[in-house]
Amino acid sequence: KNQVEQSPQSLIILEGKNCTLQCNYTVSPFSNLRWYKQDTGRGPVSLTIMTFSENTKSNGRYTATLDADTKQSSLHITASQLSDSASYICVVSARFGNEKLTFGTGTRLTIIP
Amino acid sequence: ETGVTQTPRHLVMGMTNKKSLKCEQHLGHNAMYWYKQSAKKPLELMFVYSLEERVENNSVPSRFSPECPNSSHLFLHLHTLQPEDSALYLCASSQDSTGGEYGYTFGSGTRLTVV
Repeated sequence: KNQVEQSPQSLIILEGKNCTLQCNYTVSPFSNLRWYKQDTGRGPVSLTIMTFSENTKSNGRYTATLDADTKQSSLHITASQLSDSASYICVVSARFGNEKLTFGTGTRLTIIP
Repeated sequence: ETGVTQTPRHLVMGMTNKKSLKCEQHLGHNAMYWYKQSAKKPLELMFVYSLEERVENNSVPSRFSPECPNSSHLFLHLHTLQPEDSALYLCASSQDSTGGEYGYTFGSGTRLTVV
C-alpha cells in the first residue's frame, strides 16, 4: 500500500531560525514528489516538485531534497519568518497512465516572534 | 487567488438540507478534482473529471454528487449529509489528468459543517 509519512507532526520555532521537515514514502512506481504549503483556511500551494533524477531544488528560502534510494525527502526552511507558519504537506505521485497522488498528513509549523 | 475559485468559503447545513459547492478555474486546465480534508488526516481524493468526463470515483457515498458542465466549472451537490462529512472540501485543477508539468492548483476550499 502506498504511504507517505511526515515528521514531526508539529513544530514550533523562533523567528529567524532554520528548520527541516521530513517525509518518508513507500510509493511505486515513483513519478515525482511535491511539497505544498497550506495556510490556515486556505488550499495547498505548491512549493517544489522533484522527479527521480533530482536531488535538491530550491524556491527562495525553501530547499527540498530527495533521496530516491532511501525514499526520503526533506524540506529545509532558512531564516524563518512569521508568514512561514502553515502546514507543509508532502505529496508523492505514482504514475499508472493517470497520476495517483498519496498525501502525507502534514507538519504544522508555527513561527513565534 | 490561485486561479481556482471556490464558493461558498463556509457552509453550515442541516442533515436534511440540499446544498451545492461551486468551483471555477480560469487556467485553461482540462482536469478538475474534488478532495476532502478532515482534521489530522491526509487529503482524500473524491472525484476526478477530465475533459468534462468523470474518470475516477473513489467509493464516495451517493449523498455526494459531482457535476462538471464544462472544463471550467465543477460542482459538488450535497444532500442528507452526516456530521462526519464536516470537513474542508478542496477543488483542484491540472493541465490534464496526468497532473501535467506544473502539478495541481488548489482552491481555498469550502469549510463545511453539518449539524
